[in-house]
Amino acid sequence: GDSVTQMEGPVTLSEEAFLTINCTYTATGYPSLFWYVQYPGEGLQLLLKATKADDKGSNKGFEATYRKETTSFHLEKGSVQVSDSAVYFCALTGGNYQLIWGAGTKLIIKP
Amino acid sequence: NAGVTQTPKFQVLKTGQSMTLQCAQDMNHEYMSWYRQDPGMGLRLIHYSVGAGITDQGEVPNGYNVSRSTTEDFPLRLLSAAPSQTSVYFCASSPQVTNEKLFFGSGTQLSVL
Repeated sequence: GDSVTQMEGPVTLSEEAFLTINCTYTATGYPSLFWYVQYPGEGLQLLLKATKADDKGSNKGFEATYRKETTSFHLEKGSVQVSDSAVYFCALTGGNYQLIWGAGTKLIIKP
Repeated sequence: NAGVTQTPKFQVLKTGQSMTLQCAQDMNHEYMSWYRQDPGMGLRLIHYSVGAGITDQGEVPNGYNVSRSTTEDFPLRLLSAAPSQTSVYFCASSPQVTNEKLFFGSGTQLSVL
């Protein structure tokens, strides 16, 4: 069945460092891909999405490119801030448009 | 601009007790869903609804009931709570059944002793 695999956390970085959070997927068909972010004590929010191969989603300085050849959707940011500390979830649309979620990656940014 | 509202935020139950987690949205979204979030497991879909009067099971429906009598409300009922239901529960809604963007509530942290 469809699945999403994310790198295990926590990921700890210093402010202004470059961020990559890896996400790979297994899916039949051509799913849409998403990154959601969960700040402490809050619900998840959509960060960015891509709906077809080679699309790049971007928001708030974060980017991810839908790579069909490597079945990946890695999240990147050039210079992280303390306020980016959160849990990041990768997801795809499976059967009946239900989202299939990765386990989440906790990101800790130190000043 | 309330969005998706969940109550309560925290709840402690004893094994065997029943309770209802409330979820309401004011965005006129047709699609609503309930997830549970457990450490290291991401989100798992419990039940979902594509409109008033229509509900369906997700990945982990056992021990939970839902109903959708109005577009706005989608309560989740625990029939007889078990320690395995200790989790954080999120309600979400979407304007489209294709789920291109989900709007989440702030969650209910449930402990079953």
